[in-house]
Amino acid sequence: KAGVTQTPRYLIKTRGQQVTLSCSPISGHRSVSWYQQTPGQGLQFLFEYFSETQRNKGNFPGRFSGRQFSNSRSEMNVSTLELGDSALYLCASSLVYRGGSADTQYFGPGTRLTVL
Amino acid sequence: GQQVMQIPQYQHVQEGEDFTTYCNSSTTLSNIQWYKQRPGGHPVFLIQLVKSGEVKKQKRLTFQFGEAKKNSSLHITATQTTDVGTYFCAGVRSGGSYIPTFGRGTSLIVHP
Repeated sequence: KAGVTQTPRYLIKTRGQQVTLSCSPISGHRSVSWYQQTPGQGLQFLFEYFSETQRNKGNFPGRFSGRQFSNSRSEMNVSTLELGDSALYLCASSLVYRGGSADTQYFGPGTRLTVL
Repeated sequence: GQQVMQIPQYQHVQEGEDFTTYCNSSTTLSNIQWYKQRPGGHPVFLIQLVKSGEVKKQKRLTFQFGEAKKNSSLHITATQTTDVGTYFCAGVRSGGSYIPTFGRGTSLIVHP
């Protein structure tokens, strides 16, 4: 079974631009969660999508948004990029909504975003 | 807001020695998760603990969840060079939304 895939793997943008990152979960998985990882703040939860609905959202400004499609693929969008948005963005998939289970989640390789 | 403190930040051990990392939450947790991230890699989910006082084992790894559900530990017996990486805990606050708060991680360095 193919793992979680994320595209693109690397991205360079300038301040003020917007960016869209894509995540394809493992086949059959319906939950996708997004995380931001930086040396300064560590790993932080962004949001989780299940059945095309955002179930939970971490403490991030409204510039960070996402969506999930009927095939469970998910996209994350960051508008009006700031220097501090430079980070590794990880998505993870699991079979079911994580809020109701101890189901394993599988991470993708991440998208390395650099904002200049 | 909720905070999850993890110690130590780094741990150097000789191969064969044991290793323990600890997580403490400022609030009661509904569950705690543990992850491992190898250098240059992505996190790998290890386990989720839910019950007060729960102890789970995975080969040489032992995970514990405190009785008060505010602390947790991961213990590795007889470390191997393959154990190298950063171990993270993530706690989900009891009674709130399912939003995991991560500790800063413990980087384990194993010397052969």
